[in-house]
Amino acid sequence: DAMVIQNPRYQVTQFGKPVTLSCSQTLNHNVMYWYQQKSSQAPKLLFHYYDKDFNNEADTPDNFQSRRPNTSFCFLDIRSPGLGDAAMYLCAARLGQGTTEAFFGQGTRLTVV
Amino acid sequence: TQLLEQSPQFLSIQEGENLTVYCNSSSVFSSLQWYRQEPGEGPVLLVTVVTGGEVKKLKRLTFQFGDARKDSSLHITAAQPGDTGLYLCAGARGPGTASKLTFGTGTRLQVTL
Repeated sequence: DAMVIQNPRYQVTQFGKPVTLSCSQTLNHNVMYWYQQKSSQAPKLLFHYYDKDFNNEADTPDNFQSRRPNTSFCFLDIRSPGLGDAAMYLCAARLGQGTTEAFFGQGTRLTVV
Repeated sequence: TQLLEQSPQFLSIQEGENLTVYCNSSSVFSSLQWYRQEPGEGPVLLVTVVTGGEVKKLKRLTFQFGDARKDSSLHITAAQPGDTGLYLCAGARGPGTASKLTFGTGTRLQVTL
């Protein structure tokens, strides 16, 4: 059974129209990550949470926001998507507290038209 | 600045050949993980190495963590078409809330019959 679930798998949005991607985990892990992965590139960390403690990467655009209302759910909000934001968005969960194995969801492929 | 550099970037080999992928950094990591990612899917964890000099084997895959915990290698013996994919190393730095998981630049492997 999938432990990290991302919805939807595929998302098409219009240029400038806000979009939200969701992630849930059944692992009850403390840490959740959001990565952006463009074609043929490695995943790039956008932000991560340790419980409710939010950590933003210095080069993550302000256009990207995140919410974690509880342990299980985490959301990625893109306020005004541009063509350059088209990518695969990956969510991952990790227990924390010394262990570092991260479990990834299948990703959401975002297309901006 | 990319903390983890992988080489080679691309590798196309025939079934039965051996290969080695390298993951190098100037930074020390508390642990290092290797993932394999197939198109349209999230990365799947292969192994975690924690101790400097550690060697782990997973069937035909051998992983080694450098003595100084700055680099790692993945060796595949007798490659098979099923080994095709994007191989990613990822380093974890810092404990607890400071622990970020940063990916390497990736190595795309294609194994042909």
